[in-house]
Amino acid sequence: AQTVTQSQPEMSVQEAETVTLSCTYDTSESDYYLFWYKQPPSRQMILVIRQEAYKQQNATENRFSVNFQKAAKSFSLKISDSQLGDAAMYFCAYRATGANSKLTFGKGITLSVRP
Amino acid sequence: NAGVTQTPKFQVLKTGQSMTLQCAQDMNHEYMSWYRQDPGMGLRLIHYSVGAGITDQGEVPNGYNVSRSTTEDFPLRLLSAAPSQTSVYFCASSSWTSPSYEQYFGPGTRLTVT
Repeated sequence: AQTVTQSQPEMSVQEAETVTLSCTYDTSESDYYLFWYKQPPSRQMILVIRQEAYKQQNATENRFSVNFQKAAKSFSLKISDSQLGDAAMYFCAYRATGANSKLTFGKGITLSVRP
Repeated sequence: NAGVTQTPKFQVLKTGQSMTLQCAQDMNHEYMSWYRQDPGMGLRLIHYSVGAGITDQGEVPNGYNVSRSTTEDFPLRLLSAAPSQTSVYFCASSSWTSPSYEQYFGPGTRLTVT
C-alpha cells in the first residue's frame, strides 16, 4: 500500500523568507501524481501544486516550487518570499494513475508565518 | 458552476442518532469520495465511487454507508452515530479526463457526536 510521510508536524518562517516542507512517499508504481494541498483556517482544501512522476522537471507555481526526487521518493515544497497568508496546514498527497486510484494523504504540517 | 457542495456545514448529534451528509457536484465527474479529517491523522478515505451504481470501501469504512444513484450525488450515511465519528468530513470529486486526476473538494462538514 502507498504511504505518505510528513515527519514535521509544525514549522515556522519569518515573513519574506523561504521555507521548505518535507514529504516522502512509498510506492511500487512507476507512474503517479504528487500534490501539495493548503488548508487555511477556513478549512477549504486548496491545490497548491502538482507533479507528474514521469516529468523530470520540477513543478513551479509562482512562489511555490517542488523538489521532486523520484529515486529517493521525496517531494518537498519550497515557499519563497513567505507571506502572512501562507500560514496554514499543508498536506502532501499521492495518487497513482488508473480509474480506481485513491488519493493518499500525509498527516500534514502546520506552517506559521512570523511578521 | 458551484463545484462540490456539502450540507450541512455543522452538525451535532447524540450517540445512536442517524444522519446523512449530503454531497453534490455539477462537473459531471465520474469519481467521488468521502474523507474524514482528524487532528494529527491527515485525511483518510472512507468510501469512494467510480460511477453511478458503483461504490467501494476506503481505509476507514466502518460505521458509514454510501450509495451513488446519480452521477451528481454521493451521500454519506451514519446509521448509529458514535463519539469516535466526531470529525470533519470532506467530499471530493474528479474526472478521468483531467490530466492529473485532480480532486476538487467541498467545504467540509464539522460533525460532533456527544
